[in-house]
Amino acid sequence: QKEVEQDPGPLSVPEGAIVSLNCTYSNSAFQYFMWYRQYSRKGPELLMYTYSSGNKEDGRFTAQVDKSSKYISLFIRDSQPSDSATYLCALANAGNNRKLIWGLGTSLAVNP
Amino acid sequence: GAGVSQSPSNKVTEKGKDVELRCDPISGHTALYWYRQSLGQGLEFLIYFQGNSAPDKSGLPSDRFSAERTGGSVSTLTIQRTQQEDSAVYLCASRQGGEQFFGPGTRLTVL
Repeated sequence: QKEVEQDPGPLSVPEGAIVSLNCTYSNSAFQYFMWYRQYSRKGPELLMYTYSSGNKEDGRFTAQVDKSSKYISLFIRDSQPSDSATYLCALANAGNNRKLIWGLGTSLAVNP
Repeated sequence: GAGVSQSPSNKVTEKGKDVELRCDPISGHTALYWYRQSLGQGLEFLIYFQGNSAPDKSGLPSDRFSAERTGGSVSTLTIQRTQQEDSAVYLCASRQGGEQFFGPGTRLTVL
């Protein structure tokens, strides 16, 4: 079993839909929870960064962390065609190196 | 300001040859990471540099892989005697504080 599980999709939604993406993990030592967006042939770009449990909102994006269930989510409201990309969750423990452990990524297509 | 840059963007090599991949981190970032992204495996940590400390090499898949970071800035990832399973995108990231900023990657194809 991988440390971080993420359904690779693909996920296809109409423009304006609410998108829900999620990851589960097994290691309770993870303290940092991130969502990255990656366009084709580009490097990952950080969308949301959360320390420990709770919710965080930034514009159309909301990240949720439930450490008791070892479950993290990213919600995208009013999705746009420009949101079409691969979304990766990445987790890190509290150590100094902060090396990221990644989900496989979910491919999202938002159709106009 | 400039982000993380990597070169070359694409590299095609023959099995058994050595390759060098370069990463220029964001100026002033003390932490530097190499990751590998391959189909079906996702992103995997390879190595981490922090200042003058000994690097964390725990993710290097074999002794054919090595990396160095000169003067706390530019880093080179070297793969010796390349194999077809080394074909992947190699990503570099730098960090100062919490966020890791990624370069565009080097796409390595081993024929």
